[in-house]
Amino acid sequence: DGGITQSPKYLFRKEGQNVTLSCEQNLNHDAMYWYRQDPGQGLRLIYYSQIVNDFQKGDIAEGYSVSREKKESFPLTVTSAQKNPTAFYLCASSIGVAGRLNTGELFFGEGSRLTVL
Amino acid sequence: AQSVAQPEDQVNVAEGNPLTVKCTYSVSGNPYLFWYVQYPNRGLQFLLKYITGDNLVKGSYGFEAEFNKSQTSFHLKKPSALVSDSALYFCAVRDLGDYKLSFGAGTTVTVRA
Repeated sequence: DGGITQSPKYLFRKEGQNVTLSCEQNLNHDAMYWYRQDPGQGLRLIYYSQIVNDFQKGDIAEGYSVSREKKESFPLTVTSAQKNPTAFYLCASSIGVAGRLNTGELFFGEGSRLTVL
Repeated sequence: AQSVAQPEDQVNVAEGNPLTVKCTYSVSGNPYLFWYVQYPNRGLQFLLKYITGDNLVKGSYGFEAEFNKSQTSFHLKKPSALVSDSALYFCAVRDLGDYKLSFGAGTTVTVRA
């Protein structure tokens, strides 16, 4: 079955540590996204990538980094510079750059919950 | 700039009654509108979308949504709610000229038996 796999589902981190969240998709989608979800705030875009070896900052990129070395993979690193990293992180993908014929509908993974101790 | 507002944090209905979850949007051009549902500690699941054409859109699990351009709204509806519809619902919008989706804050729906 095609889909998006995020790992780990739960992750605990000590302050000052970097952590990397994995996101893999086998949907053959060109575009991938990372969102952060906090209670009552909806989803906020961290980073997105339209093609391999290219990515752009979203609305809340500070303290995060990404890479896109393969079409299938878009890992997110939460660095020690992120002041409040405890959150639910969602990875998503879409067919490609949205336009008149491509509605840009997102497909989501099951999420990773990061807790800073 | 594009944005979405979901004016109700919570909606409570009895099983079997109609369910409505409200959404208003703001875009500079023609909107692409989406509804997603999220169950606890899970990812978002796509329910339905409006791109163009008929203002009444039918989606998964018996949900439908009505696009109203004059009121810039895209309310989600279900004629007869089920307890299993209890979840967090998100409205999202994308301008034709922008491929990023903007999400509302979400509405928690509780359906009581």
